[in-house]
Amino acid sequence: DAGITQSPRYKITETGRQVTLMCHQTWSHSYMFWYRQDLGHGLRLIYYSAAADITDKGEVPDGYVVSRSKTENFPLTLESATRSQTSVYFCASRQGQEAFFGQGTRLTVV
Amino acid sequence: DAKTTQPNSMESNEEEPVHLPCNHSTISGTDYIHWYRQLPSQGPEYVIHGLTSNVNNRMASLAIAEDRKSSTLILHRATLRDAAVYYCILRSSGAGSYQLTFGKGTKLSVIP
Repeated sequence: DAGITQSPRYKITETGRQVTLMCHQTWSHSYMFWYRQDLGHGLRLIYYSAAADITDKGEVPDGYVVSRSKTENFPLTLESATRSQTSVYFCASRQGQEAFFGQGTRLTVV
Repeated sequence: DAKTTQPNSMESNEEEPVHLPCNHSTISGTDYIHWYRQLPSQGPEYVIHGLTSNVNNRMASLAIAEDRKSSTLILHRATLRDAAVYYCILRSSGAGSYQLTFGKGTKLSVIP
């Protein structure tokens, strides 16, 4: 199916563990983004990518790593998960003016 | 990024038109006005965007003030499915302006 998909949809992990959230888009859009959404803060940009092998920090990048070896994939890795990273994570892609968001990954760090 | 101001919440009756306002008094000439909405437990969804002229699409209409310091998203006939948080966002068309910066948005409730 065409679109943008995130996996897993739900994840529980322990403090200190590494966890990777996956994002895949089928359109070959140049731009991709990772946001986190928390009560009281709304959607905040973590990292973005303008093309394969080009990534840059957003508003809240600390504790996260991204890569973009292929245009269609943009994984987000929490190197050592902390409780403060408990959140809902949204991936998005954009070509032109319209951005498309995934369904989100609800991550709980215990 | 230029800032937008929206009411925290609004209510509408089902099947009535809804006018969602947005103030952006510091908008620059290269800023596009975007509207997204987020239904409960879903990712944000594109609604409409414009630069200077009013815009219509299948989901909504966007009315932009002549001085561009404000805009209004118009849902012509609210349905229960339109209950969501609506975000008004400015995005520059200048080089290096890739991302959308979300504010708090307006939570729209639709009353049956």
